[in-house]
Amino acid sequence: QVQLQESGPGLVKPSETLSLTCTLSGGSTSNHFWSWIRQPPGKGLEWIGCIHNSGSTNYNPSLKSRVAIPVDRSKNQFSLKLSSVTAADTAVYYCARAFTRPQNFDYWGQGTLVTVSS
Amino acid sequence: QSVLTQPPSVSAAPGQKVTISCSGSSSNIGSNYVSWYQQLPGTAPKLLIYENNKRPSGIPDRFSGSKSGTSATLGITGLQTGDEADYYCGTWDSSLSAVVFGGGTKLTVL
Repeated sequence: QVQLQESGPGLVKPSETLSLTCTLSGGSTSNHFWSWIRQPPGKGLEWIGCIHNSGSTNYNPSLKSRVAIPVDRSKNQFSLKLSSVTAADTAVYYCARAFTRPQNFDYWGQGTLVTVSS
Repeated sequence: QSVLTQPPSVSAAPGQKVTISCSGSSSNIGSNYVSWYQQLPGTAPKLLIYENNKRPSGIPDRFSGSKSGTSATLGITGLQTGDEADYYCGTWDSSLSAVVFGGGTKLTVL
């Protein structure tokens, strides 16, 4: 059974870099799209970006200048790096796996709340 | 402002049927497959429908999806109180090269 688990700081200061890691168990990082999605409190879903096992990445145009999604296949992990954060980046962050197409998210992490505040 | 447009809320009585619409454009729904997600309070979203009308293993056939042109629809029959949740549509946008979601629809089972 595939499981995803997010980890990282729950509090980040404004202007700093938000860093989260998603650890995969019960599967490998190959042959799928590995995504980050966030949800501000009380609001809808926002796709941040994804990396395919080929190494190709796609990012939300509104976040592209601040986002990176590196993968560490040896550890079955992929990460999110979001720089220059502001209070608007406060959200529950989910990692998710998509199959066949980037929009087919079949496995999700439980989500982790990241608050941006000084 | 979401790229895909969904009604903020819908409601129906237990046992009844409800539909949730998702409207987009030629660059997203019009040329790509649509997925639907159910998000129960305090939990991660769950895949209900992919590639417009396919159900993952374990999803009951009370849930169905369809697409026509630049719009998609999620149908739920035999409503149960446990179906109360937020529902999101999602697809790929070829112009943005990004996954886009609707703003979500809150389903209330009266």
